[in-house]
Amino acid sequence: DIQMTQSPSSLSASVGDRVTITCRASQTIGKYLNWYQQKPGKAPKCLVYAASSLQSGVPSRFSGSGSQTDFTLTISSLQPEDFATYYCQQSYSNPVTFGGGTKVDIK
Amino acid sequence: QVPLQESGPGLVKPSDTLSLTCTVSGVSISSSYWSWIRQPPGRGLEWIGYIYYSGATNYNPSLKSRVTISVDTSKNQFSLKLSSVTSADTAVYYCARGFPYSGWTYYFDYWGQGTLVTVSS
Repeated sequence: DIQMTQSPSSLSASVGDRVTITCRASQTIGKYLNWYQQKPGKAPKCLVYAASSLQSGVPSRFSGSGSQTDFTLTISSLQPEDFATYYCQQSYSNPVTFGGGTKVDIK
Repeated sequence: QVPLQESGPGLVKPSDTLSLTCTVSGVSISSSYWSWIRQPPGRGLEWIGYIYYSGATNYNPSLKSRVTISVDTSKNQFSLKLSSVTSADTAVYYCARGFPYSGWTYYFDYWGQGTLVTVSS
């Protein structure tokens, strides 16, 4: 299985901050990397697919980049509704696997 | 929107079989990869497997010996059976649509609200 490692596992930030979350794959996965946002008690929501394609309806302050083994999710200006847990997921090979999550909370 | 709704018992006894159904409305189930994903309380996400509308399946090797996913296209539903459950199978179970965007690869664009299944006697 491909292991996905996210860092940091948690971070504290303020509204308006630029936030970057990193995801590393245990082997090369091209651009087959997706990002999800999950709020407490809710299902995950896809933000970015194929490493850098913004899902329809997702605000432009979210962006994804990277390829092969190293990927980032950036929130350019953190908003109150962005406090949540973020997961990366590789879709290069089965079984698809998720990172351990990065919890973003209020500083 | 493609609402998905999970249904099934919230409590299952150890060694029994967990059975859940996902009802898909708004779009035909005759496309995409229809998946089950679970999340133990306070933990991360684990993909269980998918079924393609043709009936082809793919399961997580860690669960493969215990998992069966089936589809009923006439009812626009797909189902999960997980046998010989233990407390380690206690989790929120989500059904989700895997939307293909490049060949076979996909991302999960629509999710059910999730249903908590507790394994306990």
